[in-house]
Amino acid sequence: DAKTTQPPSMDCAEGRAANLPCNHSTISGNEYVYWYRQIHSQGPQYIIHGLKNNETNEMASLIITEDRKSSTLILPHATLRDTAVYYCIAYTGTASKLTFGTGTRLQVTL
Amino acid sequence: NAGVTQTPKFQVLKTGQSMTLQCAQDMNHEYMSWYRQDPGMGLRLIHYSVGAGITDQGEVPNGYNVSRSTTEDFPLRLLSAAPSQTSVYFCASAGRAGSQSGANVLTFGAGSRLTVL
Repeated sequence: DAKTTQPPSMDCAEGRAANLPCNHSTISGNEYVYWYRQIHSQGPQYIIHGLKNNETNEMASLIITEDRKSSTLILPHATLRDTAVYYCIAYTGTASKLTFGTGTRLQVTL
Repeated sequence: NAGVTQTPKFQVLKTGQSMTLQCAQDMNHEYMSWYRQDPGMGLRLIHYSVGAGITDQGEVPNGYNVSRSTTEDFPLRLLSAAPSQTSVYFCASAGRAGSQSGANVLTFGAGSRLTVL
């Protein structure tokens, strides 16, 4: 699985868009980019994933660069409940030895 | 459909004691895994399984044993607990990729908080 790199922390004002970057320069052609988040000490929760096209669901948007070496998770209108640690990982369509990095701690403030 | 169920939620052990953390999923998922998370840290993979009868080591397997006799269950055993194993443990599962999405999504349990004195 490709190694991913994320900034350790970010701040965002409530109501504004939160843009969380992820670098995955060694990603291979059959690896998807997945985003999960962990609120407090709860189990991580799936947000969104993509291969090469931009994706959007009810939670977020995922923008993947054309060369697929990086991506950005966008929370369009961040709320205090979006304060969490966000993990970006890359792996193929078959789950195997899935490792997480340290993620980005997003703090949403008033 | 309960998803991924972990028991117990909390456990206190003395050094040298043994115990088993239980993990069960009712989604017929082939892939299951165990992670530990120390305070302020990310998730570290302990062991994983890609199907019944198949297990393999993750990043931090020492001190832990696993087995996968059924698709539903993936218990994690601590044979001789040590204070360094004080952590929150998460179990996760994932099914085979759907043909449309071509990808797999991890479903996590709520976690088991273990303290070793």
